[in-house]
Amino acid sequence: SQKIEQNSEALNIQEGKTATLTCNYTNYSPAYLQWYRQDPGRGPVFLLLIRENEKEKRKERLKVTFDTTLKQSLFHITASQPADSATYLCALLKAAGNKLTFGGGTRVLVKP
Amino acid sequence: GAVVSQHPSWVICKSGTSVKIECRSLDFQATTMFWYRQFPKQSLMLMATSNEGSKATYEQGVEKDKFLINHASLTLSTLTVTSAHPEDSSFYICSARDLAHPTDTQYFGPGTRLTVL
Repeated sequence: SQKIEQNSEALNIQEGKTATLTCNYTNYSPAYLQWYRQDPGRGPVFLLLIRENEKEKRKERLKVTFDTTLKQSLFHITASQPADSATYLCALLKAAGNKLTFGGGTRVLVKP
Repeated sequence: GAVVSQHPSWVICKSGTSVKIECRSLDFQATTMFWYRQFPKQSLMLMATSNEGSKATYEQGVEKDKFLINHASLTLSTLTVTSAHPEDSSFYICSARDLAHPTDTQYFGPGTRLTVL
C-alpha cells in the first residue's frame, strides 16, 4: 500500500542552525511534492511545491530537494528562528488535478 | 490573495444534532474544494472532494449520508455532519484549488473544531 513517512519525533534545534526534515514514500509515483506548515489549531499553509523533474527548489530560507530514485524529499530551514516552530507536512500529488496525500508531519521546535 | 475562510471556527453540539460548516474562497474561484478531518497529533485525512454543481466524491470509509457536502457556487462549499456523535469530534479543515492558477496548490481554511457532547 502507499505510504508517506515523516519523522514523528519532534526536531529540537538551536536558533540559527539549519533544520532538515525528511519525507519518504513507498509504492507511489508522485508528479508533485508539496510542503506545508501547520500551527496548532490552524489549517496548513502552503510553502513550496516541487515537480518530479525538479531536483531542488528554494524560497527565501527554505530549500526542498526531491529524489525520485530514493523516493525522498528533504526540507531545509536555514538560519532557523523561534518563529519557525511549527509542524511541517509533506504532501504528494499523483498527477495534476488529483487529491493530495499527506504525511504525518514533523514538529519543529527552534530554541532561542 | 488566495484566502479561504471557514465558519464557525469552533462549535459544541449535543449528540444527535446536525452541524453545518461553511468553507468560502474569498478572493478566487474554486471549482474544487476538499474536506479533511484531523484528529489530535495525526495528519490530515481527506474525507471528500467537492465539485461545484455536481455530487461530491467520498473517500473509502466515509459515510456520504452522514457527511453531507454541498458545493452550490464557485466560492462556497458546506459540510453538514448529521446526527453527530462524540466520535465525530475532530478538527475539520477545508481547502480550495484556485481555478486561475492550475499549479495544484491547495489553499486551506483555518479549520473548525467540532466537539460533540
